[in-house]
Amino acid sequence: GQQVMQIPQYQHVQEGEDFTTYCNSSTTLSNIQWYKQRPGGHPVFLIQLVKSGEVKKQKRLTFQFGEAKKNSSLHITATQTTDVGTYFCADYNQAGTALIFGKGTTLSVSS
Amino acid sequence: NAGVTQTPKFQVLKTGQSMTLQCAQDMNHNSMYWYRQDPGMGLRLIYYSASEGTTDKGEVPNGYNVSRLNKREFSLRLESAAPSQTSVYFCASSEALWASEELFFGSGTQLSVL
Repeated sequence: GQQVMQIPQYQHVQEGEDFTTYCNSSTTLSNIQWYKQRPGGHPVFLIQLVKSGEVKKQKRLTFQFGEAKKNSSLHITATQTTDVGTYFCADYNQAGTALIFGKGTTLSVSS
Repeated sequence: NAGVTQTPKFQVLKTGQSMTLQCAQDMNHNSMYWYRQDPGMGLRLIYYSASEGTTDKGEVPNGYNVSRLNKREFSLRLESAAPSQTSVYFCASSEALWASEELFFGSGTQLSVL
């Protein structure tokens, strides 16, 4: 099945700095879903990207799907302490019946 | 409307003991999933049920069994717990028959096997 690789594994930023996490695959992705998990919490859905080259924005968050559908990125502009958590990307398994998650990028923000 | 409810929230077992993790959703969702989360490993799929009456293995099914009791409930059973099964377990559900819609997660069960 698909395996998505996320980089970096950890990122620490100062409040107000930008942050980007990348999700890469050696094969074509069917679609990409992004989730956020706050410390001690459960994953919460952020967005789904389906089309090649798709770009979606949610306030300070910008999500992109690569033209070749082999990578995706999440960019946060001017991070805030509320952005702390682990960000996961996920794609379908080979059968297209279940989501397989990357290992996540853990973001810490200092004020 | 509680969403996805998991019980218990915490559990400590001795090696060899058995237990069942319960999951119920009140959103009339078709698909349900069990994931485990370990530090640095992300979320790994244990088993899933794409629709009532069906179950399938995920990435790490060994040592687990599941039952889709009805449309609402999907339980995960550890027959003989091992320390390697110490983890946080998340149940999730989705409206779609396949994973084409967002997943809604429960709050998790923290399991320790001594």
